Amino acid sequence: DQQVKQNSPSLSVQEGRISILNCDYTNSMFDYFLWYKKYPAEGPTFLISISSIKDKNEDGRFTVFLNKSAKHLSLHIVPSQPGDSAVYFCAASGVRSNYKLTFGKGTLLTVNP
Amino acid sequence: GAVVSQHPSRVICKSGTSVKIECRSLDFQATTMFWYRQFPKKSLMLMATSNEGSKATYEQGVEKDKFLINHASLTLSTLTVTSAHPEDSSFYICSASKVVGETQYFGPGTRLLVL
Repeated sequence: DQQVKQNSPSLSVQEGRISILNCDYTNSMFDYFLWYKKYPAEGPTFLISISSIKDKNEDGRFTVFLNKSAKHLSLHIVPSQPGDSAVYFCAASGVRSNYKLTFGKGTLLTVNP
Repeated sequence: GAVVSQHPSRVICKSGTSVKIECRSLDFQATTMFWYRQFPKKSLMLMATSNEGSKATYEQGVEKDKFLINHASLTLSTLTVTSAHPEDSSFYICSASKVVGETQYFGPGTRLLVL
């Protein structure tokens, strides 16, 4: 039973346009959500996070939106750059799971020049 | 800040031997470190949670005698794959957090190949 789902295995976007990566979760006990970026054969790099008490968090070109009622979060990247091409993982955690991270399967983002 | 290193980056070993992987937090003290395993085209699977000075907590299905974890200091955790077999070949990644519940920062990973 996958508690964190990224239903799009891949996404292709033109440079300069917006990239929207989606993530759904099923466990209502999650109260902290993160996005990581990962290149092949490397560890994930932390991008941005959001607590369940917020519905939006912004950091430069990256914005994460959280819709608790829909159990859905999204990562917006604008403008997209070719260097953003990587696999993006959504992760969730909560105090009741001892803050262990549960990851989605990832979405491969390709930004075309 | 928040840099995590792993050593070695890749290792090839013979079946039956043991392999030790180190995870270090370089610019912060990590009360908690985590060990993950990633299979090809799969997500990261948590293997165990390691707290400094105490025994690691293993996830269901992970053999604690097979994957020995030691968290000797606030900046170092080690994972030893004992009596490695080809099915243990994988990408092992550690992460560390400064405080329980805060963001985990990941190491670059270790590629293990068991022949």
